[in-house]
Amino acid sequence: DTGVSQDPRHKITKRGQNVTFRCDPISEHNRLYWYRQTLGQGPEFLTYFQNEAQLEKSRLLSDRFSAERPKGSFSTLEIQRTEQGDSAMYLCASSLLGPTNTGELFFGEGSRLTVL
Amino acid sequence: GQQLNQSPQSMFIQEGEDVSMNCTSSSIFNTWLWYKQDPGEGPVLLIALYKAGELTSNGRLTAQFGITRKDSFLNISASIPSDVGIYFCAGSIQGAQKLVFGQGTRLTINP
Repeated sequence: DTGVSQDPRHKITKRGQNVTFRCDPISEHNRLYWYRQTLGQGPEFLTYFQNEAQLEKSRLLSDRFSAERPKGSFSTLEIQRTEQGDSAMYLCASSLLGPTNTGELFFGEGSRLTVL
Repeated sequence: GQQLNQSPQSMFIQEGEDVSMNCTSSSIFNTWLWYKQDPGEGPVLLIALYKAGELTSNGRLTAQFGITRKDSFLNISASIPSDVGIYFCAGSIQGAQKLVFGQGTRLTINP
């Protein structure tokens, strides 16, 4: 399977704990995105990377959230001191930005977080 | 920030019927994308549109990029049970690669 993969698919944690999600993008894609989706809503942009550089962060990304893409391949999204309001589906997407393409985003299956 | 409004929010149709949904924006977009999402899964890209007025088909799906650049339409012909799901429009503005998503249209099909 050469699509975007995310791990874990489901995570249940207690309030105050830290959680980390991993995303492996499509191998030749240079851009990687994190989105958050709550029930009944469309995905909301959190942040994105071009190669290893984090180019933009949403105001939704509080200080408790940190994302990395250390080698320009996989990425991690860490949430510290989780709160119940963090419960959501965290979606990763990747795209290939180049002179002859338009950067269509391809999404993974998501990591669903439940904070008790 | 940019807002996308999708309508209708939900649709209940009979199998075999045609479906139309649309998405409007207060801002001009230079790319419109349509995605479908099944429960517990990530969105899957259906159609991408890059030019105002463009009409693109993918099997039974047809989408159009509005001439004003502020709207887009998705039509599904002869619906089948596997068309059930939530359809999202998404747009990006010039120079920005991030997508803004609508709230989704939930499609339910009665056999």
